[in-house]
Amino acid sequence: EPEVTQTPSHQVTQMGQEVILRCVPISNHLYFYWYRQILGQKVEFLVSFYNNEISEKSEIFDDQFSVERPDGSNFTLKIRSTKLEDSAMYFCASSVRADTQYFGPGTRLTVL
Amino acid sequence: AQTVTQSQPEMSVQEAETVTLSCTYDTSESDYYLFWYKQPPSRQMILVIRQEAYKQQNATENRFSVNFQKAAKSFSLKISDSQLGDAAMYFCAYRSARALGQNFVFGPGTRLSVLP
Repeated sequence: EPEVTQTPSHQVTQMGQEVILRCVPISNHLYFYWYRQILGQKVEFLVSFYNNEISEKSEIFDDQFSVERPDGSNFTLKIRSTKLEDSAMYFCASSVRADTQYFGPGTRLTVL
Repeated sequence: AQTVTQSQPEMSVQEAETVTLSCTYDTSESDYYLFWYKQPPSRQMILVIRQEAYKQQNATENRFSVNFQKAAKSFSLKISDSQLGDAAMYFCAYRSARALGQNFVFGPGTRLSVLP
């Protein structure tokens, strides 16, 4: 069964550094999403992406964040200058229609 | 804005018994989707069950079923014949059907323990 994949599984970075989190959505899906989950808290929406542009973003998704679909398969989340509070689990999700989203296994980001 | 509430931070159930996890939500919309996701210790989010708001019939998936009460804005999950592998964090989620690219709104989660 096709699934969403994410790399790396764990990323450790120094505060102020740029990180890129990578996702490969399910191949025939058209909608892509990023969520984050700070340890012990609920999953929070960051951004959705459709037809090569952002369709919706939350207040969390400020100028430090950007998303890109550089080719036909990858979907990336970039954090330009990481802060301690960016430490979280980041989940990518995709959907073929605007209903059920399938989540990847997540990338644990640790900012030191 | 929509909100999702899960009033039970933690629940426990004996193996082979039945447990019900509660979820309520607040919305002014009439067309939406509701989901239950499971997050085991691996932290991957796994879809358990989904319900379309326009369907009156409650969704079922093997041992998992929901009690969807649209007027009461309630969406509880029943797990029958609980197994050790059911132990996880369970998140209730709401998604509008209003427009494209709508994100999920998640509840705070219920941690389910299954006792042998």
